[in-house]
Amino acid sequence: QSMLTQPPSVSGAPGQRVTISCTGSSSSIGADYNIEWYQQLPGTAPKLLIYGNTNRPSGVPDRFSGSKSGASASLAISGLQAEDEADYYCQSYDSSLSGLVVFGGGTKLTVL
Amino acid sequence: QLQLQESGSGLVKPSQTLSLTCDVSGDSISSADFSWSWIRQPRGKGLEWMGYMDESGTTYYNPSLKSRVTMSVDRSKNQFSLKLRSVTAADTAIYYCARALLYDFWSTAEMLRGLYFDFWGQGTLVSVSS
Repeated sequence: QSMLTQPPSVSGAPGQRVTISCTGSSSSIGADYNIEWYQQLPGTAPKLLIYGNTNRPSGVPDRFSGSKSGASASLAISGLQAEDEADYYCQSYDSSLSGLVVFGGGTKLTVL
Repeated sequence: QLQLQESGSGLVKPSQTLSLTCDVSGDSISSADFSWSWIRQPRGKGLEWMGYMDESGTTYYNPSLKSRVTMSVDRSKNQFSLKLRSVTAADTAIYYCARALLYDFWSTAEMLRGLYFDFWGQGTLVSVSS
């Protein structure tokens, strides 16, 4: 089964830039599939942050950006703010495996 | 603005069936191009995709749950439902319903499909306990 690996935690001081990686362990990313990103603030439902590797939905600040290179994707957050402290999940979709959706394990971002 | 609201039994006994409903407001559940999904999250853990039903009514389930899960849509009530049979304590989690958008994109060699969840319900906690 496809798996997406994220670091369990990252941290940064206010104003800094942090990145969260998402690495595929099988064909789900290596075969050039897209990656989506979600932000989950404490006690709330996940919220779509980035879709199609690099696109921000309306209302998402441009401090958040996504990129992808080969089998790895990254979420970058610049100008870190206290309100960015949350869990972040990457997600992929493998249509070659009967419509399989896979989430990464999640990364806890701590703003120091 | 689209809103999704989960409802159902908050406490289920082991070996019984978990049943949840997601009420959709602000748009028709029959709108083209959208699929409807269930995702769960054990307390303090990550997200687990359970399955989705696309606009044609075809269902796709997580292989790890496929033998126990059924999803359906009631277009007259603008809601979709989840049934999970033979539950155990491991099924205790917050259950989210979400709208999914499937889209096509070109990779280097072929046309592929992507999927993302653009609207989520607030989630409902289901505990499995005797």
